[in-house]
Amino acid sequence: KNQVEQSPQSLIILEGKNCTLQCNYTVSPFSNLRWYKQDTGRGPVSLTIMTFSENTKSNGRYTATLDADTKQSSLHITASQLSDSASYICVVPNQAGTALIFGKGTTLSVSS
Amino acid sequence: GAGVSQSPSNKVTEKGKDVELRCDPISGHTALYWYRQSLGQGLEFLIYFQGNSAPDKSGLPSDRFSAERTGGSVSTLTIQRTQQEDSAVYLCASSLYAGETQYFGPGTRLLVL
Repeated sequence: KNQVEQSPQSLIILEGKNCTLQCNYTVSPFSNLRWYKQDTGRGPVSLTIMTFSENTKSNGRYTATLDADTKQSSLHITASQLSDSASYICVVPNQAGTALIFGKGTTLSVSS
Repeated sequence: GAGVSQSPSNKVTEKGKDVELRCDPISGHTALYWYRQSLGQGLEFLIYFQGNSAPDKSGLPSDRFSAERTGGSVSTLTIQRTQQEDSAVYLCASSLYAGETQYFGPGTRLLVL
């Protein structure tokens, strides 16, 4: 069973609309959770990192939430732009803290 | 350099051949990671280097895969006797220290015919 599950697998929205991506994780103990954005043909780029004590963190039009009790995180994108089209990946460190466990990502397509 | 660089950007090889993939991390970063990303799959951890410590090889899928990091900087991932299932994008990342934000290179797209 994957330790990081993301949903939906893919999403298509119109430019200007909002959307929310979900991430459930089972890794324990938990230290932090990261959201990465991966453009086609590029390596992932970190959007935000959340620690145990943080519930919400914003980075421009991106807002991440974390519920450490239910082990769920969400990434909310406001007023989407065509450039938001990418894969959004939820990442949690492994138990030893030596490597990252990546979800399979949500592929977002923003159309005009 | 300004970011993590990888070479080659694309590699096509025949089944059974050996390949070497190179990663130049951000200068001063002590941690270096190799990942594999197959089509439609999440990133799969392969190997991790931290300073002069013995690398964490727990993610290497078989003994055909090996990696080294010379002088604490450049790293080479070697795949011997390549198989078609080795076809994937191989991503390298580095971070200042373990647990810090990882910065990824553009990846090497490997196709084994």
